Amino acid sequence: AQTVTQSQPEMSVQEAETVTLSCTYDTSENNYYLFWYKQPPSRQMILVIRQEAYKQQNATENRFSVNFQKAAKSFSLKISDSQLGDTAMYFCAFMKRTSGGGADGLTFGKGTHLIIQP
Amino acid sequence: NAGVTQTPKFRVLKTGQSMTLLCAQDMNHEYMYWYRQDPGMGLRLIHYSVGEGTTAKGEVPDGYNVSRLKKQNFLLGLESAAPSQTSVYFCASSYIGLAGLTGELFFGEGSRLTVL
Repeated sequence: AQTVTQSQPEMSVQEAETVTLSCTYDTSENNYYLFWYKQPPSRQMILVIRQEAYKQQNATENRFSVNFQKAAKSFSLKISDSQLGDTAMYFCAFMKRTSGGGADGLTFGKGTHLIIQP
Repeated sequence: NAGVTQTPKFRVLKTGQSMTLLCAQDMNHEYMYWYRQDPGMGLRLIHYSVGEGTTAKGEVPDGYNVSRLKKQNFLLGLESAAPSQTSVYFCASSYIGLAGLTGELFFGEGSRLTVL
């Protein structure tokens, strides 16, 4: 079984600052995906960024980027030029990539509540 | 463009009552999932389905049953509700792309269930 650990229950930064959210995971799998999902107060789950384990290059999406360290099983999210709208719960998640296309869903961390102060 | 729709959005039950949550997706996705979200626990997988007529247990299946009679619908049932089942329930779906499973899940808006 996989486990995902987010060690920061809550973080608070000033608007326009850069913030990094930590995530570590434990797995014996070699092929998998890693994700960061955002959950604003509206409760909607929104995909922020995705990383495939076989890709060495770190994924980026505009102001969001990851630092993927496969050997260390670490997957941190960096948010640059943070905005008030970034205030949300952020969940790190793991999905193993099984043969034949089957998958048993995402394993989530417990989340980090990020607050962007004006 | 509905995506994933959950019904109902809110429900209050008394202990021992039964109910069914309906999840419908219009994206022709093969896989569907039910998660529960509790404070400080993240989202935990209850049951999932990899196709019409198939279901499988997730991390926390006890007290729940599911059915996937049609590809677009995934039902979550509580036969005898307990206060421990008070939670927010999320349905999600995903698809197999040309290169295999993409990994991305599409979520519904959640259903808040309170069991008194």
